[in-house]
Amino acid sequence: DAKTTQPNSMESNEEEPVHLPCNHSTISGTDYIHWYRQLPSQGPEYVIHGLTSNVNNRMASLAIAEDRKSSTLILHRATLRDAAVYYCILRDAFGYYARQLTFGSGTQLTVLP
Amino acid sequence: NAGVTQTPKFRVLKTGQSMTLLCAQDMNHEYMYWYRQDPGMGLRLIHYSVGEGTTAKGEVPDGYNVSRLKKQNFLLGLESAAPSQTSVYFCASSPLGTGGANVLTFGAGSRLTVL
Repeated sequence: DAKTTQPNSMESNEEEPVHLPCNHSTISGTDYIHWYRQLPSQGPEYVIHGLTSNVNNRMASLAIAEDRKSSTLILHRATLRDAAVYYCILRDAFGYYARQLTFGSGTQLTVLP
Repeated sequence: NAGVTQTPKFRVLKTGQSMTLLCAQDMNHEYMYWYRQDPGMGLRLIHYSVGEGTTAKGEVPDGYNVSRLKKQNFLLGLESAAPSQTSVYFCASSPLGTGGANVLTFGAGSRLTVL
């Protein structure tokens, strides 16, 4: 199945925008791009997902490259509560992996006051 | 809403002991999953279930067994615990359908230490 590559860590200042990149050069046409985050000592929580078009919700925005080989999670104004590990995951719409999510190591986001 | 509830939250076992982790969801979700997370690592899928009475192996199933006798519950068992099974275990559930857009809801985790 297709893999994703993320930086191990990133830093941001509080109340500034954060752009978290993800590369997925082997993405297939039926793969959805999902983002989850894991706050310290908690289970992962869903952030956002998309297929081809950019997506916005109350938590974040997802910008998907035109060739879909990369995407960027955008937190518009980082707060201290956004400090977490962010996972970029591909989810196949069909077949064996349709019901699973495979998590890599993610990006540890540190928000500086 | 309770969402996904895991019990116990913490447990210490001796090598060779057995135990069961319970996951309960109140969202009427069809799919349920058990993951483990080792320090500094991402989550790895142990077993999953696509409906009541069905289970399937994930990425790291050895040393674990599961059962889904009721739709709302998914049990993870360790028959003979080993120190390598020291980890944080997460249960998750997701609804039927929607293919690649299917979103998981996770529990808070169960921290298991095997001495």
